[in-house]
Amino acid sequence: NAGVTQTPKFQVLKTGQSMTLQCAQDMNHEYMSWYRQDPGMGLRLIHYSVGAGITDQGEVPNGYNVSRSTTEDFPLRLLSAAPSQTSVYFCASSSGQLGAEAFFGQGTRLTVV
Amino acid sequence: AQKITQTQPGMFVQEKEAVTLDCTYDTSDPSYGLFWYKQPSSGEMIFLIYQGSYDQQNATEGRYSLNFQKARKSANLVISASQLGDSAMYFCAMRDNQAGTALIFGKGTTLSVSS
Repeated sequence: NAGVTQTPKFQVLKTGQSMTLQCAQDMNHEYMSWYRQDPGMGLRLIHYSVGAGITDQGEVPNGYNVSRSTTEDFPLRLLSAAPSQTSVYFCASSSGQLGAEAFFGQGTRLTVV
Repeated sequence: AQKITQTQPGMFVQEKEAVTLDCTYDTSDPSYGLFWYKQPSSGEMIFLIYQGSYDQQNATEGRYSLNFQKARKSANLVISASQLGDSAMYFCAMRDNQAGTALIFGKGTTLSVSS
């Protein structure tokens, strides 16, 4: 059972570099989302998607882009990395029903220097 | 707007004791769901328990129970008979229909269980 797979697990970027965090799920879930976790801040929603071709902004979307071309994949793009984007990033998916639990990937620890 | 508040940054408990982790929420939607997740030091997010706004009874899952007080907008997690392996960060989260289907999280409570 793969569930939600995030790659890479660790990444160090230089300020101004770009990169894409990958997220894939094999549960045929319509709903996917990206969070960042910072000490003392909990998990904050960056972007989410309610299905292929549909995305929307969460609480902290600035500096991040997303797209959803397939049900399975929901990549997160950092166009020009900044030290403030140093964080742990989690991708999650769910069936979208009100009571459905969200399944999380293992997280990506990103450091921007 | 939705909001989840966890006011206890850290909690300490001894093995075999019960502990309550507080969570209050705010939403204007009458239909919502409340979740608790555990994050051990290894970093993964583990689903513990769910309570729906229309559920008549408090949710229970093994040693976990949810003390749901709708009028007070609180959804406290109760862990009975604490174990060393319960030491972790605990997050309360909510989903309602206004925000689509993404969970909104509180800032978390770190639980430390000692022997």
